[in-house]
Amino acid sequence: DIQMTQSPSSLSASVGDRVTITCRASQSIRSYLNWYQQKPGKPPNLLIYAASSLQSGVPSRFSGSGSGTDFTLTITNLQPEDFATYYCQRSYSNPADSFGQGTKLEIK
Amino acid sequence: QMQLEQSGAEVKKTGSSVKVSCKASEYTFTYRYLHWVRQAPGQAPEWMGWITPFNGDTNYAQKFQDRLTISSDRSVNTAFMELSSLRPDDTATYYCSTSESTVTTYDYWGQGTLVSVSS
Repeated sequence: DIQMTQSPSSLSASVGDRVTITCRASQSIRSYLNWYQQKPGKPPNLLIYAASSLQSGVPSRFSGSGSGTDFTLTITNLQPEDFATYYCQRSYSNPADSFGQGTKLEIK
Repeated sequence: QMQLEQSGAEVKKTGSSVKVSCKASEYTFTYRYLHWVRQAPGQAPEWMGWITPFNGDTNYAQKFQDRLTISSDRSVNTAFMELSSLRPDDTATYYCSTSESTVTTYDYWGQGTLVSVSS
């Protein structure tokens, strides 16, 4: 199976900051990469699909880039509601073990 | 807006089984894949399997192959996830979610069902 490695595992930032989270696949997944935001007690919420496409209703301060094996999620002008856990997920090949281990974004 | 409504929390004993339901609304049930994804406390989500309600085809993660059954009832737009031989490490929140195809982009999710397993 293609393994997904996400970094960092946690991150502290302030309101108004710009943050970047990275995700690496163990082999090429072209652009089959999604990003989700999850808040406590809620299901994951799709932010970015196909590496760089913004899901409907998601603020434009969220953006994704990358292809092949290396991907990034960037959040500009952090807002209080953005402090959450973020997961990358490959949507290609066997769905088992398709999520990264998560990045917890905390307020500094 | 598509909606997925799951059944309530369950408390189970080791060795027993649990069956969780997921009722779909505001979309054509047979047009999308219906997945089950679980999440243990503090862990990443974990895909368990899917069903295509159109014809009942299923695909399970190898890890759950021998104790997972996913089914659906098209007459009531509801999918079911049954996990047997429960162990304490099956304690998790179980979610149903949908994708348009085998490209597994989970765009809608149920609210989750907490299953607690104790010995």
